Amino acid sequence: EVQMVESGGGLVQPGGSLRLSCAASGFTFSIYEMNWVRLAPGKGLEWVSSISSSGSIIYYADSVKGRFTISRDNAKKSLYLQMNNLRAEDTAVYYCANLAYCSTTGCYDYWGQGTLVTVSS
Amino acid sequence: SYELTQPPSVSVSPGQTARITCSGDELPKKYAYWYQQKSGQAPVLVLYEDSKRPSGIPERFSGSTSGTMATLTITGAQVEDEADYYCYSTDSSGNHRVFGRGTKLTVL
Repeated sequence: EVQMVESGGGLVQPGGSLRLSCAASGFTFSIYEMNWVRLAPGKGLEWVSSISSSGSIIYYADSVKGRFTISRDNAKKSLYLQMNNLRAEDTAVYYCANLAYCSTTGCYDYWGQGTLVTVSS
Repeated sequence: SYELTQPPSVSVSPGQTARITCSGDELPKKYAYWYQQKSGQAPVLVLYEDSKRPSGIPERFSGSTSGTMATLTITGAQVEDEADYYCYSTDSSGNHRVFGRGTKLTVL
């Protein structure tokens, strides 16, 4: 059974830091590009960052560039998001997801259940 | 930055056809994907590569594209289809992923 479990969310003051983790199981984690996606209260889904299967290619949304760092450990089947200099507008549920890896054999789309990050004083 | 434009809301009665549109300049060249998200749950992929249904997605969900617009159609919408629907694609470089702002579908 495919599972992705996020952890590390919580309440943090503006300007603070958090490190999110996502533990994957039940699929070959190392072959998939992985992403962080967030859902802010009253808003829509927002792509945050992506990392290639090897970890060598990384992209960020403009809203988090320079503050967030994505990384992965394929041996541990884990994805990470280091979030620094947090702002109130970063308050959201953060999901790890592979975002539709599609091939001739089908389309594989895996999401965790999310972890809540609240930035407030 | 690249944007995908969706209507904020669509409302239909049970059994009617619901159509949700997504407009983006790169859609003629980039695939559109559609996600369904119900309150408190993770998103679920309902269409990929413009019009393909993942296994387990009911046949009433279909997709099409025309020029810069992608459309998700739910033929014979059911109460359980009430959810937020998001289109998803990539920018011209393929490097940045983009979600539309979402459409709240009401079926009642």
